[in-house]
Amino acid sequence: GAVVSQHPSRVICKSGTSVKIECRSLDFQATTMFWYRQFPKKSLMLMATSNEGSKATYEQGVEKDKFLINHASLTLSTLTVTSAHPEDSSFYICSARDGGGRAEAFFGQGTRLTVV
Amino acid sequence: GESVGLHLPTLSVQEGDNSIINCAYSNSASDYFIWYKQESGKGPQFIIDIRSNMDKRQGQRVTVLLNKTVKHLSLQIAATQPGDSAVYFCAEASYGNKLVFGAGTILRVKS
Repeated sequence: GAVVSQHPSRVICKSGTSVKIECRSLDFQATTMFWYRQFPKKSLMLMATSNEGSKATYEQGVEKDKFLINHASLTLSTLTVTSAHPEDSSFYICSARDGGGRAEAFFGQGTRLTVV
Repeated sequence: GESVGLHLPTLSVQEGDNSIINCAYSNSASDYFIWYKQESGKGPQFIIDIRSNMDKRQGQRVTVLLNKTVKHLSLQIAATQPGDSAVYFCAEASYGNKLVFGAGTILRVKS
């Protein structure tokens, strides 16, 4: 199957700093990428959808100035958590869909963010 | 709003037995359904999918059943193994649209 690589897998940062998470599709072109947040023992909560070359579409309640998403190429999307606070600590997961329009999305391995 | 939900939050099965994980969905416009497996600390892994024009699809040791009349989806795992222990999510989508995930079911396999 298609491979999506997410980096870093774990990051610890100080409160007030910003953290960037990368999501790459390694063997296909991802016209659409999705960013999710997951709390312990909970389901995946969609944060935003990004299409290559255009602004991301954020879900209701997600602060776009807090969670900056860039999808500058067909193989890379980034999520930047700005001015991180302890409540931003979570598991962040990206997924990518290829340009063929299939509904199936492939997931990265996730990033565990801890803000101290 | 539309949602996808699960009946059982935790399922414990004996190794070698068959497992059945259930899912209810409410969006009648959904035409594509996927089951994902998520192990601790990892991203979801695709297991099997099914389109709304089908009612059954089989993979290796797994079968997905779709009942559109009652908006119900199930995942059957044959001869469950310890490596099958994980959280299982169903997700639904319509063409080109975002995936909506269910709450998840924890599958525990007892040896």
